[in-house]
Amino acid sequence: AQSVAQPEDQVNVAEGNPLTVKCTYSVSGNPYLFWYVQYPNRGLQFLLKYITGDNLVKGSYGFEAEFNKSQTSFHLKKPSALVSDSALYFCAVRDYGTGGFKTIFGAGTRLFVKA
Amino acid sequence: DARVTQTPRHKVTEMGQEVTMRCQPILGHNTVFWYRQTMMQGLELLAYFRNRAPLDDSGMPKDRFSAEMPDATLATLKIQPSEPRDSAVYFCASGLFSGEDQPQHFGDGTRLSIL
Repeated sequence: AQSVAQPEDQVNVAEGNPLTVKCTYSVSGNPYLFWYVQYPNRGLQFLLKYITGDNLVKGSYGFEAEFNKSQTSFHLKKPSALVSDSALYFCAVRDYGTGGFKTIFGAGTRLFVKA
Repeated sequence: DARVTQTPRHKVTEMGQEVTMRCQPILGHNTVFWYRQTMMQGLELLAYFRNRAPLDDSGMPKDRFSAEMPDATLATLKIQPSEPRDSAVYFCASGLFSGEDQPQHFGDGTRLSIL
């Protein structure tokens, strides 16, 4: 069965510094991986996805993610954090067992960016 | 931008009352998901539909919860009778799954409080 883990409940970073939010996954077969962001009182918003091809995927709001097959990781990164990036971030993997429609979400990592 | 619309945004009611939450998926999307989010459990998948047919409702308490899609523009989640432990934010998401690589689009949720 597919699974995804986000080892950090919270990440703190100063504005202007690079940020990394970690994610590891377990899949049988090729992984389809996603990052979503949730702002207060809002639903999750899609940031980026990895399907195939380049290991570095670029997404919305200057975020990117690095796929590492040997380490089964898909870490979210941004070169320079903004206070407005403070939010809850979810890593997700597609579950093949249900015909590809079901998505398994991690527990989420809360990002705090301090001015 | 097309959006998933959920109503009501907030609902406060007493234990034992029936609660109905509604979702209008993005026009043309063929898959609809219902999630529940709490601090303790995180994001839980309750049920999902493809082309209006239920594919999986294993995450839903069957004795009190029911989910339906009476037509392509409306999905409903009902709780009867409601209990205080049902207090949570309920999200609807939709997607066009012609393949496994498409993200889900979330509504902004219904915040439910059962007194």
